[in-house]
Amino acid sequence: EAGVAQSPRYKIIEKRQSVAFWCNPISGHATLYWYQQILGQGPKLLIQFQNNGVVDDSQLPKDRFSAERLKGVDSTLKIQPAKLEDSAVYLCASSGTSGKGEQFFGPGTRLTVL
Amino acid sequence: RKEVEQDPGPFNVPEGATVAFNCTYSNSASQSFFWYRQDCRKEPKLLMSVYSSGNEDGRFTAQLNRASQYISLLIRDSKLSDSATYLCAVNSNSGYALNFGKGTSLLVTP
Repeated sequence: EAGVAQSPRYKIIEKRQSVAFWCNPISGHATLYWYQQILGQGPKLLIQFQNNGVVDDSQLPKDRFSAERLKGVDSTLKIQPAKLEDSAVYLCASSGTSGKGEQFFGPGTRLTVL
Repeated sequence: RKEVEQDPGPFNVPEGATVAFNCTYSNSASQSFFWYRQDCRKEPKLLMSVYSSGNEDGRFTAQLNRASQYISLLIRDSKLSDSATYLCAVNSNSGYALNFGKGTSLLVTP
């Protein structure tokens, strides 16, 4: 079974530029999450989708971050404009309906903002 | 108080040793608990779910103490390959979204 796919794996941009990340979850997984992981910290939830609807975006900085999952499958996360403190790894995870909601992570996108 | 707290370590142990990590959580209504393993510059990988009665997977044992609101991970007969950061995760108020601790670093030495 294919895992969660993310691209790009690395991105370097200058502050005030925009950037977009893409995620394709495990086939059949209805729930998709975007997390931000800053060096030395655990992942922090940015947004959770159930199919194509938003369940929780309370920690998403909506003045600069946006995310969509239009067809209930893959998703994009955008930052515009980027700030230095956005340098982090952006992790996408998905979960199915069985079990306890175990989440499986993609390889992440490592963003450096200069 | 943070939602999920872990001792960051590092824990340096010799091969073959037994090591235990604890993780405390603040939301008494939490229902789902997990341990993830994260290697340097890699994504978190699910190590095991934590069940109310405790559960074991080979050399790994997870326990839940609801009264004191903590979960634990015990690793027996440590291997060099166990060296990693171990993240504790607990479901948030909104359902299945997870709150993670900062992780506990383990280094197993020859």
